Amino acid sequence: GAVVSQHPSWVICKSGTSVKIECRSLDFQATTMFWYRQFPKQSLMLMATSNEGSKATYEQGVEKDKFLINHASLTLSTLTVTSAHPEDSSFYICSAVAGGSYPGELFFGEGSRLTVL
Amino acid sequence: DAKTTQPPSMDCAEGRAANLPCNHSTISGNEYVYWYRQIHSQGPQYIIHGLKNNETNEMASLIITEDRKSSTLILPHATLRDTAVYYCIVRILFQGAQKLVFGQGTRLTINP
Repeated sequence: GAVVSQHPSWVICKSGTSVKIECRSLDFQATTMFWYRQFPKQSLMLMATSNEGSKATYEQGVEKDKFLINHASLTLSTLTVTSAHPEDSSFYICSAVAGGSYPGELFFGEGSRLTVL
Repeated sequence: DAKTTQPPSMDCAEGRAANLPCNHSTISGNEYVYWYRQIHSQGPQYIIHGLKNNETNEMASLIITEDRKSSTLILPHATLRDTAVYYCIVRILFQGAQKLVFGQGTRLTINP
């Protein structure tokens, strides 16, 4: 099946720094990508929807200036956690749906674990 | 948005069929039922989806009631590797793309 790759798979950073996480669709073009975060023993929480070439749409309560999302091409979306703090430590997961695939599968990346010291 | 209700946890013996229920009583006519599972510290894995008819693939079977208010995911011969959190999700239309909103899921434990 289609593959969605996330990089890095894990990252440790100091408080106050910014971290960028990449989400790539390897063998299909993704017009839409979604970003989720997941805390231990909890479900995935949708953060934002990213459409290629346009601004991301954020879910209620998610700070758009804190979590910058860029979807510059049909195969790449990035999530930047700006001025990260320990409470931003979480498992971040992206997913992508291929253009024209409705109601096709939604493919998920393997996740990126962020630890902020 | 239609919401789903699942039991928080279930146990099943290895080799037996695992039947995971899901209620989605407010589902609308054009919404699909999707099932994903998540093994610890990995991204969710697609299992199966359906609209109104029962579906089967190499991983599982999906049984949807006639009124579409509930469904059951069946893993016919559960193995230890099927231990995971299983999410039943109703697909939501959003600006032409479909976002998935996850509930709490069912933590399935397969026992030897």
